[in-house]
Amino acid sequence: SQKIEQNSEALNIQEGKTATLTCNYTNYSPAYLQWYRQDPGRGPVFLLLIRENEKEKRKERLKVTFDTTLKQSLFHITASQPADSATYLCALEEPGRRALTFGSGTRLQVQP
Amino acid sequence: GAGVSQSPRYKVTKRGQDVTLRCDPISSHATLYWYQQALGQGPEFLTYFNYEAQPDKSGLPSDRFSAERPEGSISTLTIQRTEQRDSAMYRCASSLQGEGETQYFGPGTRLLVL
Repeated sequence: SQKIEQNSEALNIQEGKTATLTCNYTNYSPAYLQWYRQDPGRGPVFLLLIRENEKEKRKERLKVTFDTTLKQSLFHITASQPADSATYLCALEEPGRRALTFGSGTRLQVQP
Repeated sequence: GAGVSQSPRYKVTKRGQDVTLRCDPISSHATLYWYQQALGQGPEFLTYFNYEAQPDKSGLPSDRFSAERPEGSISTLTIQRTEQRDSAMYRCASSLQGEGETQYFGPGTRLLVL
């Protein structure tokens, strides 16, 4: 089965810097890869989706890359703000299967 | 509705009792998902519905777990003869059609089995 690895250690960065979070997966390449944000006590909130034939996707201060050779996705937040502090979850969608497989998430803390 | 809603938000039960959790998805959404989320972990897939059909229930941990969506709208997740290891957050999500689409998550039901 698919295994997803996200850095379990919290990432602490200074306001204004770029945060980079990593998602590595094993086995087959997913049809889609999604990133979600989760705040304490809340459900995950969708941020970006990237398809297996796409290298990069951007949305405002967010950028996602997808390298099927390395089996890795990178999630960047530029000009980070304290309000970006949250847990970020990577999720993979298997080809032909609707279920999402989530990583355990990386907690980001942006210091003012 | 405006978003995915779940009830109850919290449920405390004694071991051996049955519990039923409810999910009310976004009204236009065909696909509904159930996930289980342990503290500090990402959600784990349990099952999903496409309207009233349940094509995949491979994530249900045992036959004590079952889910229904009889009219293709509201769904219930039932856990029979609850065990302490069933304690977790149960999250429901919905999407417009399914594959390659945003999933919208509800606030979850926190289940505690004593």
